[in-house]
Amino acid sequence: EPEVTQTPSHQVTQMGQEVILRCVPISNHLYFYWYRQILGQKVEFLVSFYNNEISEKSEIFDDQFSVERPDGSNFTLKIRSTKLEDSAMYFCASRRQGSYEQYFGPGTRLTVT
Amino acid sequence: QQQVKQSPQSLIVQKGGIPIINCAYENTAFDYFPWYQQFPGKGPALLIAIRPDVSEKKEGRFTISFNKSAKQFSLHIMDSQPGDSATYFCAASVSSASKIIFGSGTRLSIRP
Repeated sequence: EPEVTQTPSHQVTQMGQEVILRCVPISNHLYFYWYRQILGQKVEFLVSFYNNEISEKSEIFDDQFSVERPDGSNFTLKIRSTKLEDSAMYFCASRRQGSYEQYFGPGTRLTVT
Repeated sequence: QQQVKQSPQSLIVQKGGIPIINCAYENTAFDYFPWYQQFPGKGPALLIAIRPDVSEKKEGRFTISFNKSAKQFSLHIMDSQPGDSATYFCAASVSSASKIIFGSGTRLSIRP
C-alpha cells in the first residue's frame, strides 16, 4: 500500500539555523499539507499546497516558513531561522483529487537547541 | 468556532470493554469528520470517517455515531484489545480541499 514518507526521522539543529524537512507524498496525490505536533499536544495545521502554490496557511506559518515542490515527487518545508519553540513533530500529508482522506507520513522530530 | 472539543483526555478500559470518545463542534460548515489513531512516535493514521448525512458508520470494531442537531460525534470501540491502546484524535474539515482541524486527543489504555 502506498505511503507518505518523510526524511529525516529526527533532526537536531541549533537556534537560528535553517532546516529543510522532506516529504514524498503518495504518487497520484495532488494536494499536500504540513502539520506539526508539539509534544503531548494536538496536531496543528501549518499549510496546504496545490498546483504549485499555497492554498491556505495558518497563523503559525509566518515568514520564517516556506514550502516547495522542487520536482515531481518531493515536497519540502523550510524553516529559515529556527527558534526553540519550533521543536515539534512535523507531519506531511497528502490527498488525491476528489477525496477527503488525508494520509499522514511518520513525521520528522525537530529538536532546536 | 474552528475548534473541535474532545473528551475525555485519557481513558482506561478493561479488555473487551467499549471505550467511548466524544467530540463536539460549533462550525456547521464542517462536512467531514475523521478519526485518527496515533501510536507513540508515529504519524496519525486514518481510522474511520463520517459525513454529516449519516448518523452512524461501522468499520470492523470501530463505530462513529453522529448527531448533527447536537453537533456532536463519538467513537465507540467494540471488544477493545490491548493493541488498541493509542491516542485517538477526532477531527473535522470544511470541504475536501480544506485543512483538517484536530481535537485535543484521548489517550486510551486497554488493560489485559
